[in-house]
Amino acid sequence: QQQVKQSPQSLIVQKGGIPIINCAYENTAFDYFPWYQQFPGKGPALLIAIRPDVSEKKEGRFTISFNKSAKQFSLHIMDSQPGDSATYFCAASNQAGTALIFGKGTTLSVSS
Amino acid sequence: DSGVTQTPKHLITATGQRVTLRCSPRSGDLSVYWYQQSLDQGLQFLIQYYNGEERAKGNILERFSAQQFPDLHSELNLSSLELGDSALYFCASSVAPTSGDTQYFGPGTRLTVL
Repeated sequence: QQQVKQSPQSLIVQKGGIPIINCAYENTAFDYFPWYQQFPGKGPALLIAIRPDVSEKKEGRFTISFNKSAKQFSLHIMDSQPGDSATYFCAASNQAGTALIFGKGTTLSVSS
Repeated sequence: DSGVTQTPKHLITATGQRVTLRCSPRSGDLSVYWYQQSLDQGLQFLIQYYNGEERAKGNILERFSAQQFPDLHSELNLSSLELGDSALYFCASSVAPTSGDTQYFGPGTRLTVL
């Protein structure tokens, strides 16, 4: 049973656009929600993360929006650049099991 | 560079064989996680170690085993390999096994089973 559902599977935007990637979770015990970025041939790297007591977190051009009641969170990339073309994974974990549960990933392509 | 190292980078072997993947965590990190990445299953947690002790198990097959040594490096052993075991295997490390503690991923080992 997949505990973190991610959409869309792929996304194509033009340079300067604002791609939005959505995730939904089922386990209300999750208390940590990171986003990872992965380039081809590389391991995932932490991009930004949020706790459920915060509704929004911004780091540079990346923003996480969190809706605890809906059990959903999303990643927004402002002023997207071709260098942002990568696969993005949302994830979740809790104190009972600190391993990350990942969504299936979104492949983002930013065209110039 | 995350500071997590994995060897080998690529591994090609035949069905029925056994392989060992090695991971060295970041300096100071006591917790090691192993993940498998495949096209159909995505990134899936296999097993976690903390300071030499097994802490949690995920979707790890009985043919797979792992351990963490006193110097904190970890090895993932895959035996009786099947075609479906072909995947990218990532090791990640964190300071402690705490939710919210950043997990740093290595570059991965690409396993191809022929």
